[in-house]
Amino acid sequence: AQSVTQLDSHVSVSEGTPVLLRCNYSSSYSPSLFWYVQHPNKGLQLLLKYTSAATLVKGINGFEAEFKKSETSFHLTKPSAHMSDAAEYFCVVRTYSGGGADGLTFGKGTHLIIQP
Amino acid sequence: DAGITQSPRYKITETGRQVTLMCHQTWSHSYMFWYRQDLGHGLRLIYYSAAADITDKGEVPDGYVVSRSKTENFPLTLESATRSQTSVYFCASSESRGLALAGELFFGEGSRLTVL
Repeated sequence: AQSVTQLDSHVSVSEGTPVLLRCNYSSSYSPSLFWYVQHPNKGLQLLLKYTSAATLVKGINGFEAEFKKSETSFHLTKPSAHMSDAAEYFCVVRTYSGGGADGLTFGKGTHLIIQP
Repeated sequence: DAGITQSPRYKITETGRQVTLMCHQTWSHSYMFWYRQDLGHGLRLIYYSAAADITDKGEVPDGYVVSRSKTENFPLTLESATRSQTSVYFCASSESRGLALAGELFFGEGSRLTVL
């Protein structure tokens, strides 16, 4: 079975400092992994995705994530946080169930707080 | 405006009442989804639909009913609401199953339901 674990429920950083949101995955297949962002009172938006191409994936708004098979990790990073980055972030893995029941499994989310 | 809209955005109801959450998309996407978001659980799939008149259960379908008589609409009905159905409900759409599994989901802004 495929699953993701977001290691921090809350992360607080100061504006202008780096952001690191951690995600570990479990998958018996070559995984497809995604990060979504949810701003307050908004729907989720795809930030970036890994689908077995380059291991360093660049997304929108300066975010990137690195797929590390040896560590089963897909951490999300940004060099310099902006106030507008304050949001909930979800790590997501594609699940393979067979019989047409494939889907996406969402992590529990990490709430990113940006301190001025 | 093009997009995916949900209504109502906020709803308070009582145990045992029927509630319908509406979802409307203007892209003519084939696939539509209903998720619920609960603290500590991330998003969980309730039902999805591959096309008009084709629906299927997700991870947590009990207590919910869906229909899809038109491509653009995908209402979710709680026939007899329970307190455990207090949640934020998100509708999403995607052009195809392949794109959905590749993370190309477009989310509405959510409907916050409170069952007293």
